[in-house]
Amino acid sequence: AQSVTQLDSHVSVSEGTPVLLRCNYSSSYSPSLFWYVQHPNKGLQLLLKYTSAATLVKGINGFEAEFKKSETSFHLTKPSAHMSDAAEYFCVVSEGDRDDKIIFGKGTRLHILP
Amino acid sequence: DVKVTQSSRYLVKRTGEKVFLECVQDMDHENMFWYRQDPGLGLRLIYFSYDVKMKEKGDIPEGYSVSREKKERFSLILESASTNQTSMYLCASCRGTAFYGYTFGSGTRLTVV
Repeated sequence: AQSVTQLDSHVSVSEGTPVLLRCNYSSSYSPSLFWYVQHPNKGLQLLLKYTSAATLVKGINGFEAEFKKSETSFHLTKPSAHMSDAAEYFCVVSEGDRDDKIIFGKGTRLHILP
Repeated sequence: DVKVTQSSRYLVKRTGEKVFLECVQDMDHENMFWYRQDPGLGLRLIYFSYDVKMKEKGDIPEGYSVSREKKERFSLILESASTNQTSMYLCASCRGTAFYGYTFGSGTRLTVV
C-alpha cells in the first residue's frame, strides 16, 4: 500500500530565507508524486508533479522538488520565502495500479515571519 | 479558466437533517471526488466516481452517499447529519489519471449543531 509522510506539521521561516518542506513516501510501484498548496479559505492548487521524467521538478511560484528514490523522499524547496507563501502544503502520492486515485499527506503549515 | 464549483461556502445544519452538497465542474472530466478535511488528519477520501451513475467508496464512506446523474455534477449526501460530520468538504475532478493533477473546488465548511 502506498503512503506519504510529511515530517513537519508546522514550519516557520523568515521572509527571504530558504524554505524546506519534507516528505517521505512508501510505494510498491513507480510512484507519481505531487505537491499541492492551500491558501486560507481556498481550495487546493497543484504546485508541481513528478511522473518519472526528470528527478528535479520545477513548479509555480519558484518552488521545486527533488525525487530521491534511494531516500524515498520528495522534499519541497524554495530559495527565498515570500509572505504570500504562507499556506498549507500537501505532499501526495498516486497509487501505482490506480493512477486516478491519490493519497494525501497530513499537511505542513508554512508560516512566514516578517 | 477551468472550474470546480461548490454551491455553498458555509452551511449550518441540525443533527438528523438530510444534507446535500453540490459540486459542478466545467472541464468534461470523467473522474470526480469528495474529500473531507480535518485539522491534523489531512484530506480523506469519502467517495469517488469514474463515470455517470458510477460510484466507489473511498476510505471513510460511512454516513455518506453520492449521486452522479450527469457528468458535470457530483453530489454528496449526508443521510442524517451528525455533529462528527462537522468538517470542510472538498470536491475535486481530474481527466483520466492523476498525472494531469486534480482541480479542487473552494470547499464547503459544514457545521452540524
